[in-house]
Amino acid sequence: DGGITQSPKYLFRKEGQNVTLSCEQNLNHDAMYWYRQDPGQGLRLIYYSQIVNDFQKGDIAEGYSVSREKKESFPLTVTSAQKNPTAFYLCASNPGADYGYTFGSGTRLTVV
Amino acid sequence: GIQVEQSPPDLILQEGANSTLRCNFSDSVNNLQWFHQNPWGQLINLFYIPSGTKQNGRLSATTVATERYSLLYISSSQTTDSGVYFCAVGDVKAAGNKLTFGGGTRVLVKP
Repeated sequence: DGGITQSPKYLFRKEGQNVTLSCEQNLNHDAMYWYRQDPGQGLRLIYYSQIVNDFQKGDIAEGYSVSREKKESFPLTVTSAQKNPTAFYLCASNPGADYGYTFGSGTRLTVV
Repeated sequence: GIQVEQSPPDLILQEGANSTLRCNFSDSVNNLQWFHQNPWGQLINLFYIPSGTKQNGRLSATTVATERYSLLYISSSQTTDSGVYFCAVGDVKAAGNKLTFGGGTRVLVKP
């Protein structure tokens, strides 16, 4: 079955550490997105990529980095510069304009 | 940037009841989607509906782009309809096919 796989489901990070969240899709979609969700809130865009080897900052990119070396993969690194990283992170993809998004099941990151 | 407001913020329904959720947006859009987030956090795309009306089973949606709002109708609600419903829009003036999300409507359907 086609879909988006995010791993791990739960991640604990010590302050000052960088961590990388994985997002893999087998839908052959060109565009991929990372969103952050805080408790009781909507989603906010961190980064997005419309094509391999290209990505753009979203509304809250500070303290995060991404890469898009393969069409299937769009990993997100939460760096130590991110002041409040505890949140639910969601990855999405879509084949282009005029189509709906497909979301992965998310990664819950907690700073301990 | 574009603003998205959803109402009501919370909704409690008895099983079998009908309801309407509203999404208002502040500028012209070229993309509007409705999602359901289940209690485990999974987001499911319900509709891609930048304009017009669509139906899928007990759910239907209408977007009136010229008046900058969209409505999601739930008929004969079931307990499995519980969760958070999000509206998300794409600004015609923004580059990329990116979405701005509203704050959601939390729905609880009681048996």
